[in-house]
Amino acid sequence: QLQLQESGPGLVKPSETLSLTCTVSGGSISSSSYYWGWIRQPPGKGLEWIGTIHYSGSTYYNPSLKSRVIISVDTSKNQFSLNLRSVTAADTAAYYCARLTGAWHFDYWGQGTLVTVSS
Amino acid sequence: QTVVTQEPSFSVSPGGTVTLTCGLSSGSVSAAYFPSWYQQTPGQAPRTLIYSTNARSSGVPDRFSGSILGNKAALTITGAQADDESDYYCVLYVGGGISVFGGGTKLTVL
Repeated sequence: QLQLQESGPGLVKPSETLSLTCTVSGGSISSSSYYWGWIRQPPGKGLEWIGTIHYSGSTYYNPSLKSRVIISVDTSKNQFSLNLRSVTAADTAAYYCARLTGAWHFDYWGQGTLVTVSS
Repeated sequence: QTVVTQEPSFSVSPGGTVTLTCGLSSGSVSAAYFPSWYQQTPGQAPRTLIYSTNARSSGVPDRFSGSILGNKAALTITGAQADDESDYYCVLYVGGGISVFGGGTKLTVL
């Protein structure tokens, strides 16, 4: 059974960089059939797609976040990561990692991790 | 920028049928947008219900079904149960590797 687990600091200061890692177990991140994505959800609000990466390194980003986001992959560790720079309180959210299929839907999700931006 | 629209809230009686919709601020939704639907209860990660318009994810009861109705994607729940009370999100693939979530529908079963 595929499992995804987010990890990283739960508190980030304003103007700093939010960094999270998603560890994939029970399957290979290097499968050509899948992409890997980040989604976030501010408290009490809806879900927002942040971006997606393929193990080959191809990336796609939400246009509204593109200038601040980098998603990378480490196939040796079966992990992919999110870096969001210059954060503000508006970036406070639960961050989820998920697998994206070739049919463009998210089929496996991590449990999510809450990141608070505060000084 | 593409905006995906959903009803903010909906209510259904236990045992009743409800159809939630997923549209575009400009244009019509078709199968080419690979509409998918997710259920989320408070404090939990989303659960995949429907993908590619009408394919049911593994383990999802057949009272959940997806379709295209007019110019929108639709999620129909037939024989609603109390534990269907959740937030429901649709996602559309708009091309160029970009996915867009709808704002979500809060479904009340009462």
